[in-house]
Amino acid sequence: AQKVTQAQTEISVVEKEDVTLDCVYETRDTTYYLFWYKQPPSGELVFLIRRNSFDEQNEISGRYSWNFQKSTSSFNFTITASQVVDSAVYFCALISSTDSWGKLQFGAGTQVVVTP
Amino acid sequence: EAEVAQSPRYKITEKSQAVAFWCDPISGHATLYWYRQILGQGPELLVQFQDESVVDDSQLPKDRFSAERLKGVDSTLKIQPAELGDSAMYLCASRLGGQVQETQYFGPGTRLLVL
Repeated sequence: AQKVTQAQTEISVVEKEDVTLDCVYETRDTTYYLFWYKQPPSGELVFLIRRNSFDEQNEISGRYSWNFQKSTSSFNFTITASQVVDSAVYFCALISSTDSWGKLQFGAGTQVVVTP
Repeated sequence: EAEVAQSPRYKITEKSQAVAFWCDPISGHATLYWYRQILGQGPELLVQFQDESVVDDSQLPKDRFSAERLKGVDSTLKIQPAELGDSAMYLCASRLGGQVQETQYFGPGTRLLVL
């Protein structure tokens, strides 16, 4: 069975501070795909990043960066120099390669509140 | 930029009534998903289509929920009769359909409140 855990319910920061969101996943598959989505108050889920299990290289994209560690089954996400517009719920999600149809398994989400 | 369209954005109904939600995926996307998101939780898959065929409806409460995608393009999700516990956000997503790891693009969702 697959499971995604986001232990942080809510994180509050002041603008320009960095925010790191934790994500721990469980899967028996050796090939899988991890995602981060953002859900602003409007409700639409916005795709942010995707990583493949066979590529542990960590990258930076603008103000976003991620730390993928297979040894600890973690896929953490960092927003650098946060802005008020970053206020949203952030979801970590998993797709297993053995799932023929690509169902996303989501965590419970972390609410990020950025205040001026 | 192509988007997934959903309507209505908000729906208030009384229990035992019928409700229907509509989704128009990004043009050319063969795979379409309906997810339900209860307040404070992550979305959970209800049903998935590949073109006009249902490929996964294991989590769909079939006694009251139905979904169709007759021409393999837009889709309708129906609830009859609605129950109080159906109050949630209903999200539609689509992807091109070639590989399971393709990005799923979500619509704005329909917020349902059952009174």
